[in-house]
Amino acid sequence: DAGVTQSPTHLIKTRGQQVTLRCSPKSGHDTVSWYQQALGQGPQFIFQYYEEEERQRGNFPDRFSGHQFPNYSSELNVNALLLGDSALYLCASSLGAGSGGYTFGSGTRLTVV
Amino acid sequence: QKEVEQNSGPLSVPEGAIASLNCTYSDRGSQSFFWYRQYSGKSPELIMFIYSNGDKEDGRFTAQLNKASQYVSLLIRDSQPSDSATYLCAVMDSSYKLIFGSGTRLLVRP
Repeated sequence: DAGVTQSPTHLIKTRGQQVTLRCSPKSGHDTVSWYQQALGQGPQFIFQYYEEEERQRGNFPDRFSGHQFPNYSSELNVNALLLGDSALYLCASSLGAGSGGYTFGSGTRLTVV
Repeated sequence: QKEVEQNSGPLSVPEGAIASLNCTYSDRGSQSFFWYRQYSGKSPELIMFIYSNGDKEDGRFTAQLNKASQYVSLLIRDSQPSDSATYLCAVMDSSYKLIFGSGTRLLVRP
């Protein structure tokens, strides 16, 4: 049973560039949430997608956008990258609201130089 | 601003001891509470979840919830060096967002 898969695993970008991260949810899950985790911090909620719509959003600027496809996979896009965007980006999937918890992917480590 | 608070640690315990990890949350409408374990450089892994006041046991782990005090804890019995990790408390708030604390680093000394 495939878990949550994320790509790429590591990425180095230059300030001002744009990046796209990808996520395939666990089989049977229909909801995808994205988190940003800075070193030494807990994951910070970016947004959540369900039925191809953004259902919830955290305190992140509009430079962060996303998309969910009919097969439930999702993309996170970040425009105009800043040095402070360097972090581990985690994708989590769940069935519906996720009352049984979220399953996390292994993450994408983004470094902005 | 809905918050989940944890002591950052490190909490250091000898092998075989009980490790006690604590968490408080601000949103009284929260319904579901989770503990995740995160090894350095890895992604969070779900250990336990609890919905009702009281204790829930699973092997060496016991989660405790007190909604009146807005307090969640995790007890790890017979702690092993392999339990050394960061433990993240997560709360599903009243709008169904899963909010994480900053984590408590646990160190189990052999």
